Amino acid sequence: DMKVTQMPRYLIKRMGENVLLECGQDMSHETMYWYRQDPGLGLQLIYISYDVDSNSEGDIPKGYRVSRKKREHFSLILDSAKTNQTSVYFCASSPGTSNTEVFFGKGTRLTVV
Amino acid sequence: GEQVEQLPSILRVQEGSSASINCTYENSASNYFPWYKQEPGENPKLIIDIRSNMERKQTQGLIVLLDKKAKRFSLHITDTQPGDSAMYFCAASAASSGSWQLIFGSGTQLTVMP
Repeated sequence: DMKVTQMPRYLIKRMGENVLLECGQDMSHETMYWYRQDPGLGLQLIYISYDVDSNSEGDIPKGYRVSRKKREHFSLILDSAKTNQTSVYFCASSPGTSNTEVFFGKGTRLTVV
Repeated sequence: GEQVEQLPSILRVQEGSSASINCTYENSASNYFPWYKQEPGENPKLIIDIRSNMERKQTQGLIVLLDKKAKRFSLHITDTQPGDSAMYFCAASAASSGSWQLIFGSGTQLTVMP
């Protein structure tokens, strides 16, 4: 069963704390993504990773960084979280650079208070 | 950056009628146009897609139309059922740093009323 797994599903953090969102996929996909979803704004791309240690900024990278040390694992890090980073974060993966289906995880709902 | 405009943002239809969602894109080089359905608390899931070598695609009550000249594509759900109620996202492919990514529309919240 092809899956993108995100941990944790729900997270509450205080402003200024560091946040680590983890994502794994079992499909050996080369490309992985982090999106955030906010009402009325759809899915906005934060970072894209083409393979291990090959990461590029998306449309809204400010305040975030990523790490991909293994093909199946992609982490999103918020150093010193801000209240405007309260959102639902989706990790996704796709087989490569061709135009094919992107598979999404179930999301992490992050609240920064 | 490039944008995909999606309208309407909210759509309410009567059960059994059809629902239409429209999207426009900017990049004439875009060649892949998927549609995702997201139910409350769930992840977006691909329901249908179309590539630029086609103008129309149909599967299980879903029809997608693509007008490359107008840079417009649309999703039509025929004979809507309450189970079709969800958030729908369109997307268009866009080249980025020698590779590609999907640019998503802002979503349409569809409610099918019994």
